[in-house]
Amino acid sequence: GQNIDQPTEMTATEGAIVQINCTYQTSGFNGLFWYQQHAGEAPTFLSYNVLDGLEEKGRFSSFLSRSKGYSYLLLKELQMKDSASYLCAVLDSNYQLIWGAGTKLIIKP
Amino acid sequence: IAGITQAPTSQILAAGRRMTLRCTQDMRHNAMYWYRQDLGLGLRLIHYSNTAGTTGKGEVPDGYSVSRANTDDFPLTLASAVPSQTSVYFCASSDTDSSSGANVLTFGAGSRLTVL
Repeated sequence: GQNIDQPTEMTATEGAIVQINCTYQTSGFNGLFWYQQHAGEAPTFLSYNVLDGLEEKGRFSSFLSRSKGYSYLLLKELQMKDSASYLCAVLDSNYQLIWGAGTKLIIKP
Repeated sequence: IAGITQAPTSQILAAGRRMTLRCTQDMRHNAMYWYRQDLGLGLRLIHYSNTAGTTGKGEVPDGYSVSRANTDDFPLTLASAVPSQTSVYFCASSDTDSSSGANVLTFGAGSRLTVL
């Protein structure tokens, strides 16, 4: 079966750096997405990786290793507003999105 | 309207009742989707539509139906609601992101449905 694994919850301190990992086992691979979802709100797009390596976008970076079935989202200079769930999703060989259950990130002052 | 509008925001429904969740977008996106989100699970695709006039089944289509009469509207109907359909329902549409080239989803704010 297809599977996306992410930690359920993580805690970090304001101003620090946090890395949220995502491992996947899917039938084929056509890209990996990260979305942010604040409590009670809609998910919003953060990043997309299709080739190995690091994609940087401001305070957020996303890394992909296709051979290891692994990605991480790196958040720098954490702010209280970064408290949210972070969803990892993989586009499989049929171009269907397979979603992880999300990682709830709690930022403490 | 800016983006995707869903209605109602929340609803409590008796089992066996019929319910339609409305979804309207003003971005002229061709593809639209209905997902359900349950605690501890990833988003699960219910139905999708690649373009007006066509629909397809997702991962969990049973008990749900959709229609796509035009580009903007994509309603989801529960013909006879059951408690297991208690969930948060998200409508989404997709378009190509200009910077990454990826097909990115834009979600509505969600409809929280409780079936008793």
